[in-house]
Amino acid sequence: DTGVSQNPRHKITKRGQNVTFRCDPISEHNRLYWYRQTLGQGPEFLTYFQNEAQLEKSRLLSDRFSAERPKGSFSTLEIQRTEQGDSAMYLCASSLYGTGGVQPQHFGDGTRLSIL
Amino acid sequence: AQRVTQPEKLLSVFKGAPVELKCNYSYSGSPELFWYVQYSRQRLQLLLRHISRESIKGFTADLNKGETSFHLKKPFAQEEDSAMYYCALSGNSWGKLQFGAGTQVVVTP
Repeated sequence: DTGVSQNPRHKITKRGQNVTFRCDPISEHNRLYWYRQTLGQGPEFLTYFQNEAQLEKSRLLSDRFSAERPKGSFSTLEIQRTEQGDSAMYLCASSLYGTGGVQPQHFGDGTRLSIL
Repeated sequence: AQRVTQPEKLLSVFKGAPVELKCNYSYSGSPELFWYVQYSRQRLQLLLRHISRESIKGFTADLNKGETSFHLKKPFAQEEDSAMYYCALSGNSWGKLQFGAGTQVVVTP
């Protein structure tokens, strides 16, 4: 198992275009998270899936953002009509639901989005 | 509102010297606290969590609920400890993490 995989690694696009990122979690992990990280800041929570259900969305996630996790496996994050402020590193993480406290999250390498 | 504060953006220490990274949090309930680390050109990874009470790579962190702190310490820094360190808090059972802004540690020989 190579861990959490994210594609693409880099995305450069013009303002106003739509972009979609993909995350493949660790295979047995039923929890999946998306975070966004800008320069000089820690990751900020965007949304959370347990299996295929999206259980929480941050207020950071405007109407232009949508995330899915069909069949509870991989997940996609789509940004419509991109804006300059969307430039960031988008991180995906997965974990296993379990007892004994919050389980550690395993992060992918991220997708770096640059808006021209 | 929950918040995680890491007051130092950069910490420069000599090899063999002690290192302490500060983390203060605000949360009304009983959160779980974590330290994540990102080495150069690697992905973010868990270093330690307060409920484990472990020492990982010589690092320890004690949760002080009175001072709402979770400082990370190592008595003798090594060059391989150079990395970005993030303190994080989880306040719900779903595991959503609130991160601090991070502290860059540079260990010089």
